[in-house]
Amino acid sequence: DTEVTQTPKHLVMGMTNKKSLKCEQHMGHRAMYWYKQKAKKPPELMFVYSYEKLSINESVPSRFSPECPNSSLLNLHLHALQPEDSALYLCASSQVISTKASYNSPLHFGNGTRLTVT
Amino acid sequence: AQKVTQAQTEISVVEKEDVTLDCVYETRDTTYYLFWYKQPPSGELVFLIRRNSFDEQNEISGRYSWNFQKSTSSFNFTITASQVVDSAVYFCALRTTLNTGTASKLTFGTGTRLQVML
Repeated sequence: DTEVTQTPKHLVMGMTNKKSLKCEQHMGHRAMYWYKQKAKKPPELMFVYSYEKLSINESVPSRFSPECPNSSLLNLHLHALQPEDSALYLCASSQVISTKASYNSPLHFGNGTRLTVT
Repeated sequence: AQKVTQAQTEISVVEKEDVTLDCVYETRDTTYYLFWYKQPPSGELVFLIRRNSFDEQNEISGRYSWNFQKSTSSFNFTITASQVVDSAVYFCALRTTLNTGTASKLTFGTGTRLQVML
């Protein structure tokens, strides 16, 4: 079983809806990530949180709004999405990658939320 | 800039055959880290192995083995006596440490889809 839990597993939403994706980890990690993965493509980084602060935003459109309420939780708020935003959204966690000792830390991924925007 | 190339898009083998998945990387950094992940149809990326640039020891773990060669910038993955459960997409990924701020980023290859048939 994965130690990073994502809910819901599947989500269908209209372009005017507001929804949220949730991610929880209990591995004691202080870095959390959102990735987007289209079919037959590698994951693309969206956001990185380190110590509950946003450290990387890969120029993601503002219709995606991340939130890290505490060290175990990561949310992704969705509003006014487009059909091309349909994808698998993956959450991951790791040690904070900031020192030589942490550079070899792998990311641990959840099962993802499969999002369809209609 | 760094780059990871997985030239094999799809590979099909019959169960019990050995199969090697290729990964070639490019980076100017002298210190870097390589990872392999497995993504079964369920969607979760499962961490398999990591290797750093100053450790060229090959590794064997059960039916899996990895061959890291700095001279050819390759980090290949071999599955011996493949099984149907090995069917998945396999991603090779690179982390460089040129910039601490971006060390959180993994550069993924495009993935190799492995299908093991009975």
